[in-house]
Amino acid sequence: KQEVTQIPAALSVPEGENLVLNCSFTDSAIYNLQWFRQDPGKGLTSLLLIQSSQREQTSGRLNASLDKSSGRSTLYIAASQPGDSATYLCAVIKPWGIYGGSQGNLIFGKGTKLSVKP
Amino acid sequence: GAVVSQHPSRVICKSGTSVKIECRSLDFQATTMFWYRQFPKQSLMLMATSNEGSKATYEQGVEKDKFLINHASLTLSTLTVTSAHPEDSSFYICSAWPGLAGLETQYFGPGTRLLVL
Repeated sequence: KQEVTQIPAALSVPEGENLVLNCSFTDSAIYNLQWFRQDPGKGLTSLLLIQSSQREQTSGRLNASLDKSSGRSTLYIAASQPGDSATYLCAVIKPWGIYGGSQGNLIFGKGTKLSVKP
Repeated sequence: GAVVSQHPSRVICKSGTSVKIECRSLDFQATTMFWYRQFPKQSLMLMATSNEGSKATYEQGVEKDKFLINHASLTLSTLTVTSAHPEDSSFYICSAWPGLAGLETQYFGPGTRLLVL
């Protein structure tokens, strides 16, 4: 059974710091991996999607890497800002047909709650 | 583009009543819609998957007779929590998938917070 773990559970940093959020998964047979942010009481916003054949994706100040063989992904946030404060979720996407059930099904970690202090 | 709405955003109900939550894709057609729930300090967990015009597929441990899902059109799916109990109190989030194999992300609604008294 696929399990996704995110470390740390919470992180507080001063504005301007670069930081790394970690995600690990137990089964390397994933289709894609996706990073989301969740603001309190709100839905999810997709940040970066890394396909299994890729090793990283970048968007602005965000960079996500994927190492399938070791079952790890990291989300790097450069020059953090107070507006980055949110919970960051990592999710792996099941490949079709192997686990059965639904297509494009996401398995989430519990998230890392980030607080960036001004 | 790719906006998904949910209604209501928050609902409080008495134990034993039924609650319906709507999920709409506003500017695209969703081949598939997913329903997740999130208990405090826990992961988002998939409850069920619905494809337009067919019966929903439920994840193990989710009671299909308690959580009724209807996906009547390519832009609307509903989740009805029947005979709700306090343990059903949770944050319910839907997502919609445009249907391009593996290349499209799911688009998430803002969620519905359900409190059963």
